[in-house]
Amino acid sequence: DAGITQSPRYKITETGRQVTLMCHQTWSHSYMFWYRQDLGHGLRLIYYSAAADITDKGEVPDGYVVSRSKTENFPLTLESATRSQTSVYFCASSDPAGNTIYFGEGSWLTVV
Amino acid sequence: AQTVTQSQPEMSVQEAETVTLSCTYDTSESDYYLFWYKQPPSRQMILVIRQEAYKQQNATENRFSVNFQKAAKSFSLKISDSQLGDAAMYFCAYRSALAGGTSYGKLTFGQGTILTVHP
Repeated sequence: DAGITQSPRYKITETGRQVTLMCHQTWSHSYMFWYRQDLGHGLRLIYYSAAADITDKGEVPDGYVVSRSKTENFPLTLESATRSQTSVYFCASSDPAGNTIYFGEGSWLTVV
Repeated sequence: AQTVTQSQPEMSVQEAETVTLSCTYDTSESDYYLFWYKQPPSRQMILVIRQEAYKQQNATENRFSVNFQKAAKSFSLKISDSQLGDAAMYFCAYRSALAGGTSYGKLTFGQGTILTVHP
């Protein structure tokens, strides 16, 4: 089915470990985004990408790395996880007209 | 940078009644989109309604309607005939429509309003 999928949906990791959250969309949308959701902050943009091989920082990029070698994939890597990165992570995508942005179901990450 | 403010952390309504959720935003742009997203306990982000800033007519989707006041930079959501299934967190969001601009395509969210519906 067409859509946007995230994996893993749930992850517990230890401080200092590297973690990669995957995002895959089947619409061929050019824009993709990573947001994190924390209590009291709504959703905050971590990184976004306007097209393959084009990425840019959002509001809270520190501690995260992204890549976009293929249009359909936009993985988010925590190079050395910290407890402050415990959060729910949402991937999203939109086409260039971008009238609507579609969200994945979220990835719950706990760093212990 | 654009900011979105939802001043009501929590709201409650009786089933079948009407409730209005408030949202204000700050921008220097003239062309943009505004959204209301619903997030139930499952955390899924569900688009409720969208408004283009260049349209004066308020958007409506079934029981959901908005009051868009561009000069006041206000974008409230009215839910009529509230149902138990409307209980959720609601987010207001802003998106620039300036193609090629540094903020193009990005959604900026408010802090959210938790809506409780009482039977």
